[in-house]
Amino acid sequence: DVKVTQSSRYLVKRTGEKVFLECVQDMDHENMFWYRQDPGLGLRLIYFSYDVKMKEKGDIPEGYSVSREKKERFSLILESASTNQTSMYLCASSVGQGFGAFFGQGTRLTVV
Amino acid sequence: GQQLNQSPQSMFIQEGEDVSMNCTSSSIFNTWLWYKQDPGEGPVLLIALYKAGELTSNGRLTAQFGITRKDSFLNISASIPSDVGIYFCAGQRTGAGSYQLTFGKGTKLSVIP
Repeated sequence: DVKVTQSSRYLVKRTGEKVFLECVQDMDHENMFWYRQDPGLGLRLIYFSYDVKMKEKGDIPEGYSVSREKKERFSLILESASTNQTSMYLCASSVGQGFGAFFGQGTRLTVV
Repeated sequence: GQQLNQSPQSMFIQEGEDVSMNCTSSSIFNTWLWYKQDPGEGPVLLIALYKAGELTSNGRLTAQFGITRKDSFLNISASIPSDVGIYFCAGQRTGAGSYQLTFGKGTKLSVIP
C-alpha cells in the first residue's frame, strides 16, 4: 500500500514563527502536493512538485514556500506564520498524470 | 481555481438505505476519483475511474464515469454506521501541466442507526 506520512498530526505555533511541515512518501512517486482544507472552502492547492527541485504554484501560494531536495520528501514552509494560516494541511503524492493521488493523515496547524 | 459541483452537500439517512451522490463539471476530465475522509484524517481513495462510461465497484460502493466525461456518480448500497464521513469527488486531466486534481466541496454523510 502507498504510504504518505506527515511529520506531525497537530502543531501549535506563534504568530511570526517559521514553520516547517514535512511529508514523506514511500512509493517513488514523481508528483507531490500540498493542500490546505478549510470548512466551506474545500481543498485548495498551495504548491506541487513534479520532480526533485521542481515546484509549481497552486491556487494559494502566498505566504508559503516549498522544498523538494529528495524525491520522497516534500516540505511546506510558512515563512512567518499568521493566524489566517490556521488550517488542516494535507500532503499527497501521485505516480503520474491521470492516476489520482494518495493523501497523508493531515496536520492540524493552529497559529496563535 | 476551478472546483467541481458536488451534490448533495449533506445527507442524513437510515442505516440500510442506499445513497447516491454526484459531481458535475463544465469541462472534461480524463480521470474521476472518489475519496472518503473521516474526521481529523486525510482523504482515502475509494475508487478511480479512467474511461468514459466505466462502472467500477469496491464492495458496497459503485461509481460511474459519465459518458460526457463531465460528471461522475457514487452509490453506496445498504449503508452502515461506518460509512459516516465526507465524500469528495476529484477530476484529473492528462497532458501537459495536468498534474493537479480538481475537487468538489464534499458530501457529508450521516447514518442514523
